[in-house]
Amino acid sequence: GAGVSQSPSNKVTEKGKDVELRCDPISGHTALYWYRQSLGQGLEFLIYFQGNSAPDKSGLPSDRFSAERTGGSVSTLTIQRTQQEDSAVYLCASSERTGAYEQYFGPGTRLTVT
Amino acid sequence: LAKTTQPISMDSYEGQEVNITCSHNNIATNDYITWYQQFPSQGPRFIIQGYKTKVTNEVASLFIPADRKSSTLSLPRVSLSDTAVYYCLVLMDSNYQLIWGAGTKLIIKP
Repeated sequence: GAGVSQSPSNKVTEKGKDVELRCDPISGHTALYWYRQSLGQGLEFLIYFQGNSAPDKSGLPSDRFSAERTGGSVSTLTIQRTQQEDSAVYLCASSERTGAYEQYFGPGTRLTVT
Repeated sequence: LAKTTQPISMDSYEGQEVNITCSHNNIATNDYITWYQQFPSQGPRFIIQGYKTKVTNEVASLFIPADRKSSTLSLPRVSLSDTAVYYCLVLMDSNYQLIWGAGTKLIIKP
């Protein structure tokens, strides 16, 4: 079946602009995660959603970052007033539910802020 | 503060067995240990998960000692295509917090 998809695959934006990154999880997966990965670095957890529960936003680096998940499926990560340090690959993953369940990752969106 | 620590890099040769150890001193009773593999320009991919003792699947084994303060991912007879970054992850059962290691870059030489 279809895996996790993300769009766009690449995004170049100017400093100060807002960007929206989209994630389509695997159908039926109730948990959805966003991560950030800077060049050559490990995974930085940003936020996760589990069903209709309030999301865990503990990893968001600043109030310029926000995310929503509509209808328990598609998720959008929004970065307002982008800064050069926001340049990274943004990865989305989904799993059947939160807990000891395998996470399936999308290919990521490479964001470059000029 | 929960933390997972793993070596930054390792080298090995084709046909060898490779063992990558992750330290997680503050692991709690019901926390799970998972390993992921990541190739360049791709998202991580699940390899194996365990809770205690030994788990084996078609690609790897995971050894967890009784105190569970560390775990070892074992890759048998590696090939060049096993060159990747390997991440250790501890899932905290109490609050579902994810504690990722910084990753081990494994380079397999011919």
